[in-house]
Amino acid sequence: AQSVTQLDSHVSVSEGTPVLLRCNYSSSYSPSLFWYVQHPNKGLQLLLKYTSAATLVKGINGFEAEFKKSETSFHLTKPSAHMSDAAEYFCVVSGGYSTLTFGKGTMLLVSP
Amino acid sequence: ETGVTQTPRHLVMGMTNKKSLKCEQHLGHNAMYWYKQSAKKPLELMFVYNFKEQTENNSVPSRFSPECPNSSHLFLHLHTLQPEDSALYLCASSQDVRGDSPLHFGNGTRLTVT
Repeated sequence: AQSVTQLDSHVSVSEGTPVLLRCNYSSSYSPSLFWYVQHPNKGLQLLLKYTSAATLVKGINGFEAEFKKSETSFHLTKPSAHMSDAAEYFCVVSGGYSTLTFGKGTMLLVSP
Repeated sequence: ETGVTQTPRHLVMGMTNKKSLKCEQHLGHNAMYWYKQSAKKPLELMFVYNFKEQTENNSVPSRFSPECPNSSHLFLHLHTLQPEDSALYLCASSQDVRGDSPLHFGNGTRLTVT
């Protein structure tokens, strides 16, 4: 069994300030973890993935996430938000050959 | 630019109509998926195809009928839909069905059932 919880439905930041989107997961297996981003009227795009290599994973557009097994967390961060980062972000967990389990999403709002 | 193309982008249909959604992937992937995205709900997996064979049907009503003629094309045939079926339908593909294979999504078809 597996599940994922995105702790915030909305996060608001100012342009140029850090971004933190929180994700906790549970999995019976050694998990694979992903972050996807969805801009309005678009499909989901892969930001980054963790598959038991380095615990700090770097993704596209300056995003990174850290896998913390002891905390069962996989939070997404970016040092400095840009207006173009405004979108919905999904944390996803998978174990073995199981299908992916998506979180409910976090809407990131970036103000000038 | 996405390697997964969905048509049409928008579709309005009455409850008695029959229509089809089309998906094509140009990534050489072996697995294809249909997902339903409704407001305020997590993404719902509908169907999975691996090497053209359906491997998962997530208790989807029979008014949704998938078809996968080859590894590059996926269809979703719709008939006698209900207003609650209005949603964004997303197609995705991946190299295989292992859990660490990332999905590549199309831009979706926005379906409105009147």
